[in-house]
Amino acid sequence: AQSVTQPDIHITVSEGASLELRCNYSYGATPYLFWYVQSPGQGLQLLLKYFSGDTLVQGIKGFEAEFKRSQSSFNLRKPSVHWSDAAEYFCAVGLSNTGKLIFGQGTTLQVKP
Amino acid sequence: GAVVSQHPSRVICKSGTSVKIECRSLDFQATTMFWYRQFPKKSLMLMATSNEGSKATYEQGVEKDKFLINHASLTLSTLTVTSAHPEDSSFYICSARVRLKNTEAFFGQGTRLTVV
Repeated sequence: AQSVTQPDIHITVSEGASLELRCNYSYGATPYLFWYVQSPGQGLQLLLKYFSGDTLVQGIKGFEAEFKRSQSSFNLRKPSVHWSDAAEYFCAVGLSNTGKLIFGQGTTLQVKP
Repeated sequence: GAVVSQHPSRVICKSGTSVKIECRSLDFQATTMFWYRQFPKKSLMLMATSNEGSKATYEQGVEKDKFLINHASLTLSTLTVTSAHPEDSSFYICSARVRLKNTEAFFGQGTRLTVV
């Protein structure tokens, strides 16, 4: 069965520090992978996506993610975190035949001044 | 970019009444829309897939008589929570898939439903 695991429920980093949020997936076919960010009481904003091609994907707000097929991972990174990055981050795998998204449990990012 | 509008953003209703939530794709046609439910501090749970002109497909464990979904046009899907109870209080989010582009969906801003 398809699944997405985000091992870190909560992460706290200092402003200006680097960030890596982990995501592992289980999916039999070629995955379509996404990272979304959600601010409290808001919908989801797409940060970046991987469909094919270059395994290092650039997104908005200075985020990037790297697809590693051998590790079934799609970790999100940012070299320098800003206080406005504090939010909930969701990794998701898209099922190619239906368009459904399977979400991970989410990681809450807290940014210390 | 593709915009999905969800309305209302917040709604409070009395127990036993029904409430309708609308999901519109504003600048594209969406053959498929998805409805998710999110509990506090939890991930998004897919409730159902809504296909234009046909019946919705519900995920296992979702009561189709409780959560009525209609997708009457290529730009509008509605979710009606019937005979709402406090346990139906949640954050409901829709997403719409761009027609002919099967791999990406765009999300509405969500609806906070509170049943009192």
